[in-house]
Amino acid sequence: LAKTTQPISMDSYEGQEVNITCSHNNIATNDYITWYQQFPSQGPRFIIQGYKTKVTNEVASLFIPADRKSSTLSLPRVSLSDTAVYYCLVGDAGNTDKLIFGTGTRLQVFP
Amino acid sequence: NAGVMQNPRHLVRRRGQEARLRCSPMKGHSHVYWYRQLPEEGLKFMVYLQKENIIDESGMPKERFSAEFPKEGPSILRIQQVVRGDSAAYFCASSPGTGPPYNEQFFGPGTRLTVL
Repeated sequence: LAKTTQPISMDSYEGQEVNITCSHNNIATNDYITWYQQFPSQGPRFIIQGYKTKVTNEVASLFIPADRKSSTLSLPRVSLSDTAVYYCLVGDAGNTDKLIFGTGTRLQVFP
Repeated sequence: NAGVMQNPRHLVRRRGQEARLRCSPMKGHSHVYWYRQLPEEGLKFMVYLQKENIIDESGMPKERFSAEFPKEGPSILRIQQVVRGDSAAYFCASSPGTGPPYNEQFFGPGTRLTVL
């Protein structure tokens, strides 16, 4: 399983765009990149998943360069309610087994 | 469609007692996962089950911990003779086993176990 590295914490202000980058240098051909969000005292929640280039949904965008050794989660115009821990995970598309969580990035949004 | 349900939400046990944590997966989901989270840490995988079968228990401590997902009823994580180090949040997740998204797991609200 590819190991991921992401910043421990980030600060932002309401209305700003936040970009969280994750490194996964040994990602395999069949691996997908997935991001989860966890609020305090709650279970993680799936945000977005991608394989290459750019993926966008109603919550976020995911940018993946051609070499796929990193990915960037982009949150447009954050609000206080986006304060949470964000986890980057890499896993095989054909695997329904465990998710490997790192320590994540703790995003604090200030008013 | 109700989400993943876990009960109890909070559980207090004294050292040496047993703890039983229950998880009802989302309707239509046949894959259940249990994770443990210590304060300020990421989730750590414990066990992966499908109906009546344990698929992967590589994250389960060898002693005192067991899990089941019977044909009828919720999945149960059982901790015998609890110790203070078992104090943590235990999360259950379920998945339909299909994708995309691949391996999207839906998490419950967790059970916070406190061992006195």
